[in-house]
Amino acid sequence: GAVVSQHPSRVICKSGTSVKIECRSLDFQATTMFWYRQFPKQSLMLMATSNEGSKATYEQGVEKDKFLINHASLTLSTLTVTSAHPEDSSFYICSARGFSYGGNFMNTEAFFGQGTRLTVV
Amino acid sequence: GENVEQHPSTLSVQEGDSAVIKCTYSDSASNYFPWYKQELGKGPQLIIDIRSNVGEKKDQRIAVTLNKTAKHFSLHITETQPEDSAVYFCAASRGGVQGAQKLVFGQGTRLTINP
Repeated sequence: GAVVSQHPSRVICKSGTSVKIECRSLDFQATTMFWYRQFPKQSLMLMATSNEGSKATYEQGVEKDKFLINHASLTLSTLTVTSAHPEDSSFYICSARGFSYGGNFMNTEAFFGQGTRLTVV
Repeated sequence: GENVEQHPSTLSVQEGDSAVIKCTYSDSASNYFPWYKQELGKGPQLIIDIRSNVGEKKDQRIAVTLNKTAKHFSLHITETQPEDSAVYFCAASRGGVQGAQKLVFGQGTRLTINP
């Protein structure tokens, strides 16, 4: 498999502030990154898809001005929650697809980060 | 678009017994079907996957079967152990350029292994 590192694992912020979450592919080139939100005891809800060097494609109902996604390199994508509110509190997870340097997995496989627990107070 | 249904939502089995989780999908163009294990407070971990040109795949105690005609696929865990307790998600997607096709997830199954 491949390693996707997500940071921070937990963050608490005040209402009205912005929070940035980083997602890094450590041993492969992530041509596509996905950002998910997960509520307790529920499945993963896709928020947006981003290809390296392109603007992210947001799912219906996701505010692109509130959830800013940047995928400027093949190893890093960031999600910034702007003007956070308590209802933005959730578990955010990134996922990456791409190519390994050794070619030992296909680009259909998606690898997930550890997730970020965001609490807005 | 694709819709993935997963059953059961919860499953409790005795240690050493087998567990089976089933998923159905709606998009006949889907050709990639991964299974993920998610432990509390962590991101999902890919445990096994299958592509539409294969009917069955096995990796030690874990196996996945795919029936393209019926549009369903299943996860089989044999000789279950307490560490298998987790939430399991199935997913489906189409192939695509640079892997940009998104995964559609099932609702998840909370598997509990009783000692």
